[in-house]
Amino acid sequence: NAGVTQTPKFQVLKTGQSMTLQCAQDMNHNSMYWYRQDPGMGLRLIYYSASEGTTDKGEVPNGYNVSRLNKREFSLRLESAAPSQTSVYFCASSPGAGTGVSSPLHFGNGTRLTVT
Amino acid sequence: QQPVQSPQAVILREGEDAVINCSSSKALYSVHWYRQKHGEAPVFLMILLKGGEQKGHEKISASFNEKKQQSSLYLTASQLSYSGTYFCGTGGIGNEKLTFGTGTRLTIIP
Repeated sequence: NAGVTQTPKFQVLKTGQSMTLQCAQDMNHNSMYWYRQDPGMGLRLIYYSASEGTTDKGEVPNGYNVSRLNKREFSLRLESAAPSQTSVYFCASSPGAGTGVSSPLHFGNGTRLTVT
Repeated sequence: QQPVQSPQAVILREGEDAVINCSSSKALYSVHWYRQKHGEAPVFLMILLKGGEQKGHEKISASFNEKKQQSSLYLTASQLSYSGTYFCGTGGIGNEKLTFGTGTRLTIIP
């Protein structure tokens, strides 16, 4: 049982390049989330998908786009990477349908992104 | 508004007890607790919903005081495996999104 799988694990980009972070879950969860984690800042929500077919902004959405491809997959795209987007990115899923306040979050192992 | 966790860091000897606090400035519907080991993903510990029920998980338990908008995580007779950073996440009333604190780093030494 894989849970939440993120690819790639590591990535180095130059300023202005684009890339897509992939996330897939095999738990038949309704909601999926993208967080970024920076030292001393905790986890901050970028975007979430409360159910298949819907997406919504979190706390720090600027510079990102998302796609809920189907119930299993939720991707995060950086169109023009900036050094401020250097971070560890976590995808998470939850069985509940909503903003994630009432069901546990299951996290993937993260993508460590460096933008130079 | 981000919840405030205290202390920011604590060092304990194996077998000692610890309390980690999480305070919010807004009315809460839920509080989540997660543990993250260095270089790994956060792992769910427990969730407390509006109603004040205390939850337990082996030697780790938590309480939720709705009136004070606070939650506390209790670690009893700590083990080396308890080391890591503990995050609380708070969910407000009215479909607000889950917001995480900045974490409490717990180090258990033999």
